Amino acid sequence: EAQVTQNPRYLITVTGKKLTVTCSQNMNHEYMSWYRQDPGLGLRQIYYSMNVEVTDKGDVPEGYKVSRKEKRNFPLILESPSPNQTSLYFCASSYLVTYEQYFGPGTRLTVT
Amino acid sequence: KNQVEQSPQSLIILEGKNCTLQCNYTVSPFSNLRWYKQDTGRGPVSLTIMTFSENTKSNGRYTATLDADTKQSSLHITASQLSDSASYICVVSLLPTDSWGKLQFGAGTQVVVTP
Repeated sequence: EAQVTQNPRYLITVTGKKLTVTCSQNMNHEYMSWYRQDPGLGLRQIYYSMNVEVTDKGDVPEGYKVSRKEKRNFPLILESPSPNQTSLYFCASSYLVTYEQYFGPGTRLTVT
Repeated sequence: KNQVEQSPQSLIILEGKNCTLQCNYTVSPFSNLRWYKQDTGRGPVSLTIMTFSENTKSNGRYTATLDADTKQSSLHITASQLSDSASYICVVSLLPTDSWGKLQFGAGTQVVVTP
């Protein structure tokens, strides 16, 4: 089944404790992207990747890192999480940036 | 300032009725404009994708229109069903010469369909 998977789905952590949210797609898509969604603000793009080893900042990249060493994986790294990074995170992928995007199920992160 | 504005913020409609959602954008020209449906707590699902030169695109009971002159897009839902209750999001994909890969999202319109 074609899909985008994220892990974990739910995470509660403390300020400053490094964490990684994994994202994987099995559709051989070149484009992948991370978003956060907060009430009243809608979806905001954090980072995106046009292909392996090609990443760029979205609108809200501060406090996040990404890497794209393999085509199928695009992990989101929070080196030192802070409470303002409490949010619902979505990973998405598409064949190319102009094509339909497929979203993962979301990761709900709480930083205390 | 957000380059994609949606209205209304929310609306309630009776089952079986039609409704129209609006999306105003300032990004022009662009690569394509998309409409997504997002159920509460779940990832968005694509409804339509229109290039800058297209005027209309349909997906079942969903019809999107695009007016490049007024920089407006609309999503029309025909004969609404309870399952149409969701947030509808307008998204603009920028051109290769202008942050290729970046997407601009509207805040969404929350639709509630009542029996």
